[in-house]
Amino acid sequence: GIQVEQSPPDLILQEGANSTLRCNFSDSVNNLQWFHQNPWGQLINLFYIPSGTKQNGRLSATTVATERYSLLYISSSQTTDSGVYFCAVGADSNYQLIWGAGTKLIIKP
Amino acid sequence: GAGVSQTPSNKVTEKGKYVELRCDPISGHTALYWYRQSLGQGPEFLIYFQGTGAADDSGLPNDRFFAVRPEGSVSTLKIQRTERGDSAVYLCASSVTGPPYNEQFFGPGTRLTVL
Repeated sequence: GIQVEQSPPDLILQEGANSTLRCNFSDSVNNLQWFHQNPWGQLINLFYIPSGTKQNGRLSATTVATERYSLLYISSSQTTDSGVYFCAVGADSNYQLIWGAGTKLIIKP
Repeated sequence: GAGVSQTPSNKVTEKGKYVELRCDPISGHTALYWYRQSLGQGPEFLIYFQGTGAADDSGLPNDRFFAVRPEGSVSTLKIQRTERGDSAVYLCASSVTGPPYNEQFFGPGTRLTVL
């Protein structure tokens, strides 16, 4: 089955810094989502991005499907950005989303 | 509009008891998914419904776990003879259509603790 790897596993930054989170996947996908799991456990949809580039405020994402990776950019980090960021993918052969292990982000004031 | 809702938010039970967890998907979403998340890990797929039928239940760990969606909207995950290893957060998600081109939206989860 598809393997999903996220890096880095942990990231600690000062408020105001920028960051790039990476998601590599081992096979072709037709569904890729980025989620933020906040400290209360709620999974929040950030992007549905099987290909291309999207932006939403301080966050943007790019998926290069042919090279099997996706990047999530966070600019001008705020303490509320803290939490775990998950990448999850789906393909024709799978009904379920296959999840990476997540990147734990801590933003210090 | 309203998002995915799950009840109860927390459930504490004793080993061997039966529990039911409820999921109310976003109105109009035909696909519904159950996942389970243990501390420090990503969600683990359990079952996927398209309408009233379970299209894929390959993630259910054993026959103590069962889920229904009788009218194609609300779903109930049922766990018989609970074990301490069943303790986890149970997440429900829904999407407008089924896979593969399906953006999934998640509920807040039910935290199950088996003593």
